[in-house]
Amino acid sequence: ETGVTQSPTHLIKTRGQQVTLRCSSQSGHNTVSWYQQALGQGPQFIFQYYREEENGRGNFPPRFSGLQFPNYSSELNVNALELDDSALYLCASSSSGGMKDTQYFGPGTRLTVL
Amino acid sequence: QQQVKQSPQSLIVQKGGISIINCAYENTAFDYFPWYQQFPGKGPALLIAIRPDVSEKKEGRFTISFNKSAKQFSLHIMDSQPGDSATYFCAAMRGKLIFGQGTELSVKP
Repeated sequence: ETGVTQSPTHLIKTRGQQVTLRCSSQSGHNTVSWYQQALGQGPQFIFQYYREEENGRGNFPPRFSGLQFPNYSSELNVNALELDDSALYLCASSSSGGMKDTQYFGPGTRLTVL
Repeated sequence: QQQVKQSPQSLIVQKGGISIINCAYENTAFDYFPWYQQFPGKGPALLIAIRPDVSEKKEGRFTISFNKSAKQFSLHIMDSQPGDSATYFCAAMRGKLIFGQGTELSVKP
């Protein structure tokens, strides 16, 4: 059983650019949630995808968007990057069954915006 | 809006001692309370979790105590070891996870 994987590990972009981050969910999980973790802070919920549909969104602007694919993997897209977008982006997967609240996190993608 | 408050921000404990981290929440609709451990450069790893119909849950050296009326819960790490040195996050869930600010634990040998 493979865990949650994310790519790339690190990324450096400049203000105004666009970025796509990728996540593969744990085997058997059909729900993916994305979180932003600023340095020294707890993760903040961005949005969740279930069966390829957005299923809840946190307090993030529309330039944060996502996708979920039929194999349950997911992408996070951020347009018009700002300096404050520099953070660790975490993906977490869970199942919709009896353990639906248990979220397992990937190692994250460290995004630096210059 | 801060819905989960965690304290202390940092904690230093001697090897073999007990580490205690506290959290308080506001929203009574939360129905699942996990604790995560995070090492530098890594994603959070689930340690232990509890639901509000249980007052205590123990897994190995880790215990969650839950006080529903006070809207508080805490993590106790017994026989703390240097390898436990990490940042610990409490969280509360109602569809999405709301995290506390984190506690940086350092266990001195």
